[in-house]
Amino acid sequence: EDKVVQSPLSLVVHEGDTVTLNCSYEVTNFRSLLWYKQEKKAPTFLFMLTSSGIEKKSGRLSSILDKKELFSILNITATQTGDSAVYLCAVDPSGSARQLTFGSGTQLTVLP
Amino acid sequence: GAGVSQSPSNKVTEKGKDVELRCDPISGHTALYWYRQRLGQGLEFLIYFQGNSAPDKSGLPSDRFSAERTGESVSTLTIQRTQQEDSAVYLCASSSRLGSPLHFGNGTRLTVT
Repeated sequence: EDKVVQSPLSLVVHEGDTVTLNCSYEVTNFRSLLWYKQEKKAPTFLFMLTSSGIEKKSGRLSSILDKKELFSILNITATQTGDSAVYLCAVDPSGSARQLTFGSGTQLTVLP
Repeated sequence: GAGVSQSPSNKVTEKGKDVELRCDPISGHTALYWYRQRLGQGLEFLIYFQGNSAPDKSGLPSDRFSAERTGESVSTLTIQRTQQEDSAVYLCASSSRLGSPLHFGNGTRLTVT
C-alpha cells in the first residue's frame, strides 16, 4: 500500500523564523510529488517536483526532492502569520493525478 | 467563475438520510476528482472522471456512495443512508490535462448527527 508520511504533525514558530517541513514516501510507482497549502478548506497548489536535486522556489518558499532517499522538504524562510496553514504533501504515481496519495499534513502556526 | 465551486458549503443531516453534493469544475477542465478529508487526516481519493471515459470508482468506501458527471461539466456526489462516519469535508478538484496540478474547491463540510 502506498504511504506518504509528513513530519512534524504540527509546528509553532514565531514570525521571522525559518521552518522545514518533511515528506517521506513509499510508493509502488512514482511520477511526481506535490505540495499544497490548505487554509480553511481548499488546498492551493504550491509545487510539483519530478526530478531529484532541482530546487523549486516561489518567494519565501522552496522545495526539493530526493528520489533516492524518497523524501522531499518544504522550506519557508522569514515566516509570516499568513503562512499559518496545513501543508499537504502528495505523491502522484502516474502523472495523471488519478490517485494521489496524500500525507496527513503538517499544521504550521506562525505567532506574531 | 474562475475556480472550482462546490455547494453547499456546509450540510448537517440526520443519520439515515441521503445527501447530494455538487461540484462545478473550472471551465475546460476535463478531469474531475472527489476526495474526502476527515478531521485531522489527509485526503482520501474517492472517484475520478476524465472526459467521457468510464470513471475510476476505486476509492468509493461503500455502495452507499455514488457520483455522476455529465460530459465535462457539473458532478454530483451522492451518499445514501448516511452514517456518522461519513462526517467529513468532501473536496472536489479539477485539472486541465494529464499531469497538471489539481485545483480544489472549498469543499462541503458534511456533519451526520
